[in-house]
Amino acid sequence: DAKTTQPNSMESNEEEPVHLPCNHSTISGTDYIHWYRQLPSQGPEYVIHGLTSNVNNRMASLAIAEDRKSSTLILHRATLRDAAVYYCILSKGNTPLVFGKGTRLSVIA
Amino acid sequence: GAGVSQTPSNKVTEKGKYVELRCDPISGHTALYWYRQSLGQGPEFLIYFQGTGAADDSGLPNDRFFAVRPEGSVSTLKIQRTERGDSAVYLCASSLTSPGGLSTDTQYFGPGTRLTVL
Repeated sequence: DAKTTQPNSMESNEEEPVHLPCNHSTISGTDYIHWYRQLPSQGPEYVIHGLTSNVNNRMASLAIAEDRKSSTLILHRATLRDAAVYYCILSKGNTPLVFGKGTRLSVIA
Repeated sequence: GAGVSQTPSNKVTEKGKYVELRCDPISGHTALYWYRQSLGQGPEFLIYFQGTGAADDSGLPNDRFFAVRPEGSVSTLKIQRTERGDSAVYLCASSLTSPGGLSTDTQYFGPGTRLTVL
């Protein structure tokens, strides 16, 4: 499985945008980029996914580099409820997810 | 609608005992996954069902671990002769994935069962 690299932790002030980076230099042409997050004491939850084009949904935006070797999850206005571990995962679909350690996001009021 | 549910939420057992962990997936979801999460780590894949059959059990650590999904809905993860190293949160997820499914199929996770082996 292609690996992803994320910073161990990041910190943000409440109401400010947050950019969470992910490197995936060995990504293959059929890999989708998925982001999940895990709030304390909960199971992971889906955030967003993409293949080549940037994506937006109600939770976040996903910016994908032109060469697809990196991507950035953007939370437009961080809230205290966004404090979680964010996982960047490559998936070909119909397969188990391979989680790394993710990025622990802290949000400061 | 109802999400993925897992029971029990917490299970404490003694070394050497047998335990069963249950997962109720979202109604109509054909794919079901079991993961295990140790403290400070991301979830680690154990086994994946497509319908009633185990499509991939390569993540099961040894033959003490076994899982079933007899009617293609509820699944039970069974651990024999538990060891202290089995202590972890066991997560279940389901998705609409069908054979030859899409990379876009989202997995929906339950809250997990926290297993503690004394």
